[in-house]
Amino acid sequence: DAGVIQSPRHEVTEMGQEVTLRCKPISGHDYLFWYRQTMMRGLELLIYFNNNVPIDDSGMPEDRFSAKMPNASFSTLKIQPSEPRDSAVYFCASSFGGSDQPQHFGDGTRLSIL
Amino acid sequence: AQSVTQPDIHITVSEGASLELRCNYSYGATPYLFWYVQSPGQGLQLLLKYFSGDTLVQGIKGFEAEFKRSQSSFNLRKPSVHWSDAAEYFCAVGLLGTNAGKSTFGDGTTLTVKP
Repeated sequence: DAGVIQSPRHEVTEMGQEVTLRCKPISGHDYLFWYRQTMMRGLELLIYFNNNVPIDDSGMPEDRFSAKMPNASFSTLKIQPSEPRDSAVYFCASSFGGSDQPQHFGDGTRLSIL
Repeated sequence: AQSVTQPDIHITVSEGASLELRCNYSYGATPYLFWYVQSPGQGLQLLLKYFSGDTLVQGIKGFEAEFKRSQSSFNLRKPSVHWSDAAEYFCAVGLLGTNAGKSTFGDGTTLTVKP
């Protein structure tokens, strides 16, 4: 089975540029999560979707961050404009069913904003 | 509010020694509990989960965890650690109600294995 697929794996860009991170969840999964991981803050939940609908975006740090899920097999996390403090590893995860089900994580996108 | 505490930020054990990683949770009901492992450069991978029934659960890679309701704990154990077990370990609680579908993660424990 294909796992959660994230692209790109690495992204280096200059501050002020728009960054788009992509995620393909596991087929059939109805929950999708975006996380950010840094040394300072650990693993933070940014937003999650159920059946393509955003349920909780309280973790999105600023209006510069936006996420969409146009269909069950694709989601994007966009940062515009990007800033150096956005540098982190961004993970996408998916799960099937509710809280009794584990989340399946992609390998992450390592983002560096210069 | 629901919370998960992993009291140990960093643990070092010798290869072949036993391991116990601690996890305490605060939750108003019987929780769904998970342990995940993260190797460098990778995402989190599920080790094991507890929902109900037998309080001692077996997972992958020789890990097990024991749910103790009286202590609000879900500690992870392994009888003999291998060098490849060096990684970061996260305990998580699956939430119910309005937050259904979401999990709260602990801050993680980094395991170093000495040869």
